[in-house]
Amino acid sequence: EVQLVESGGGLVKPGGSLRLSCAASGFDFTTYTMNWVRQAPGKGLEWVSSVTPSRDIFYADSVKGRFTISRDNSKSSLYLHTSSLRAEDTAVYYCTRGPPLDSWGQGTLVTVSS
Amino acid sequence: DIVMTQSPLSLPVIPGEPASISCRSSQSLLDSNGHNFLDWYLQKPGQSPQLLIFLGSTRAPGVPARFSGSGSGTDFTLQISRVEAEDVGIYYCMQAFQTRYTFGQGTKLEIK
Repeated sequence: EVQLVESGGGLVKPGGSLRLSCAASGFDFTTYTMNWVRQAPGKGLEWVSSVTPSRDIFYADSVKGRFTISRDNSKSSLYLHTSSLRAEDTAVYYCTRGPPLDSWGQGTLVTVSS
Repeated sequence: DIVMTQSPLSLPVIPGEPASISCRSSQSLLDSNGHNFLDWYLQKPGQSPQLLIFLGSTRAPGVPARFSGSGSGTDFTLQISRVEAEDVGIYYCMQAFQTRYTFGQGTKLEIK
C-alpha cells in the first residue's frame, strides 16, 4: 500500500524557518516525481514545488528563493526546507506523488504568526 | 503559467440527478502524442484530495463509473451521471502539461 506521511509542521514566527519531511513507502520512490502542494485555510490547492527522479527541480514563483525541495532516495524521503516565512505561507502542506497526483499524504500544518 | 478556470464554483444537486463541471485552460493541454494533461481531483470534507480522472478521461483505479471526463485542448468537463451523497466535496481540475502545475479554483458540490 502506498503511504505518504508528512511531518515537521508547526507554529513559526514571520521570517522563521521549518523543514518539512515526507516519508514514503509501498512503492519504488526512486522512479517517481515528488511534489509539495499546499492549501491555505479555507482556500484552494496551490502547487509549491516538484523534484523529478533525475533531480530536476521546479518552484512556484511565490516560494522561489525561499523554499528548497530535496529528496533522499536511500530513505525514500522528500523534504521541503522553508525559510523567510510569511503569513501567506500559512497552509496545510501535502506531499504527493506524480503526476497524475495519485497519492497524497494527510498533510502537515504550517502556521506563520507572531 | 497556465491559468485554469472552473465553472460553476458552487453546484447544488439533487441525489440521483446528473452534474457537470467545466474547466478551461489558458492554453492547450494537448501534446503531440494526443494526450490531454488534465486531471480531476475531489477533496471530500476533512480529507486530503484524491485523484478521480487523469489524462482528461481515464478514471483512476477504484473510481466509480458514474464519474467521466471529456474534452480536449482547452475545454474539459467532469460529469457525474447520478450524484450520490458521498460525492459532496470540492472538485478541482489541474493541468500537468507544464511542470508548474496549476489548479482551478474549485467547485463545491453540495446535496440539495
